[in-house]
Amino acid sequence: DTEVTQTPKHLVMGMTNKKSLKCEQHMGHRAMYWYKQKAKKPPELMFVYSYEKLSINESVPSRFSPECPNSSLLNLHLHALQPEDSALYLCASSQDLGAVARGSPLHFGNGTRLTVT
Amino acid sequence: AQSVTQPDIHITVSEGASLELRCNYSYGATPYLFWYVQSPGQGLQLLLKYFSGDTLVQGIKGFEAEFKRSQSSFNLRKPSVHWSDAAEYFCAVGAGGGSQGNLIFGKGTKLSVKP
Repeated sequence: DTEVTQTPKHLVMGMTNKKSLKCEQHMGHRAMYWYKQKAKKPPELMFVYSYEKLSINESVPSRFSPECPNSSLLNLHLHALQPEDSALYLCASSQDLGAVARGSPLHFGNGTRLTVT
Repeated sequence: AQSVTQPDIHITVSEGASLELRCNYSYGATPYLFWYVQSPGQGLQLLLKYFSGDTLVQGIKGFEAEFKRSQSSFNLRKPSVHWSDAAEYFCAVGAGGGSQGNLIFGKGTKLSVKP
């Protein structure tokens, strides 16, 4: 069982829809991440939040809008997506932003499989 | 720049056979290295990590990995593969210093297991 919970597991949306992906962790971690993973590729970092503030934005298009309402929750709001945005979206958390560089791992959720039609 | 190379895109082994998945890294300082496994449609599960000390690291599910600084390698091994080990395996290095940190992933190795 993963300690990072993502909902929904699957999402199909049209290009004009607005939807949100949700992520929750109760490990007391203060850094939370969104990754995008295309088929047969490694995960690609999109956003990082540290202490509920956006710390890293890897030049992600504005049709993806992250939100961190509190230290346990992370949302990704989707609007006017394109078919090429179809992918597995992974949420992850770590103790803090520098944890990975100190050898502490990221904890991943099971992802949301997004299909844009 | 930091990078991780997994030379094998796809490996097939027979059930019960031994396994070695290769990983080479490029990193200026002492690296922090991780192996993750991903079953189809699932998230990434940490198998093991290396950050200091003993260069032979034991992980979950019977996996181990050996850090070899002279070869810039961190190969994953398992003495006897089970059919449930079929999955995608990612090697990663913990990059960045100070207040920032991120995982740099290799491109992954897909493991298939023959009965």
